Amino acid sequence: DSGVTQTPKHLITATGQRVTLRCSPRSGDLSVYWYQQSLDQGLQFLIQYYNGEERAKGNILERFSAQQFPDLHSELNLSSLELGDSALYFCASSVELAGGPEQFFGPGTRLTVL
Amino acid sequence: AQTVTQSQPEMSVQEAETVTLSCTYDTSESDYYLFWYKQPPSRQMILVIRQEAYKQQNATENRFSVNFQKAAKSFSLKISDSQLGDAAMYFCAYRSRYGNKLVFGAGTILRVKS
Repeated sequence: DSGVTQTPKHLITATGQRVTLRCSPRSGDLSVYWYQQSLDQGLQFLIQYYNGEERAKGNILERFSAQQFPDLHSELNLSSLELGDSALYFCASSVELAGGPEQFFGPGTRLTVL
Repeated sequence: AQTVTQSQPEMSVQEAETVTLSCTYDTSESDYYLFWYKQPPSRQMILVIRQEAYKQQNATENRFSVNFQKAAKSFSLKISDSQLGDAAMYFCAYRSRYGNKLVFGAGTILRVKS
């Protein structure tokens, strides 16, 4: 158990809908990262938040957004969902803004868009 | 931009034997981290081993060791005395020393035969 929690574990929805994925980092970790794992794109970095502020952006679609709250949990919002958004979404956390040896991954949320 | 290449989509090994998974990367940076992650059928991302580029000594963790060739930009993972529980997808990943995001390779599926 990495100490990072993600809810829900599974999510099934329809095209055009909006969903919210939630992540709670390890106690004491200020950085939260979101990654997407899909058959087409592999594992790719989406976005990072540090202590409530967006700090780095990767290949995140404009239909996707994220935020980190004062209690440090983070939410990834996916809207106008398409079939291609079906993927496993991971959250990871670390203590530092950058550098440091390790990010700890949550168990992931499996999103299926029908 | 950094890239990570895993040229072996699948590998097989007999139980108790040794197997080596290959990884090459491209970067213009001199200081960075390299990682091997294991993803079993549960989909959890588990850190297997990490290597700091400024350290010449190859990292080892029990039955797992790496062969880090900085000049060749090569980072292979050797698994000794393979066990059935080693069967998983293995990802090679890169991160700048003072960066944040992980860059992953496409992964190698490792099958262990009894």
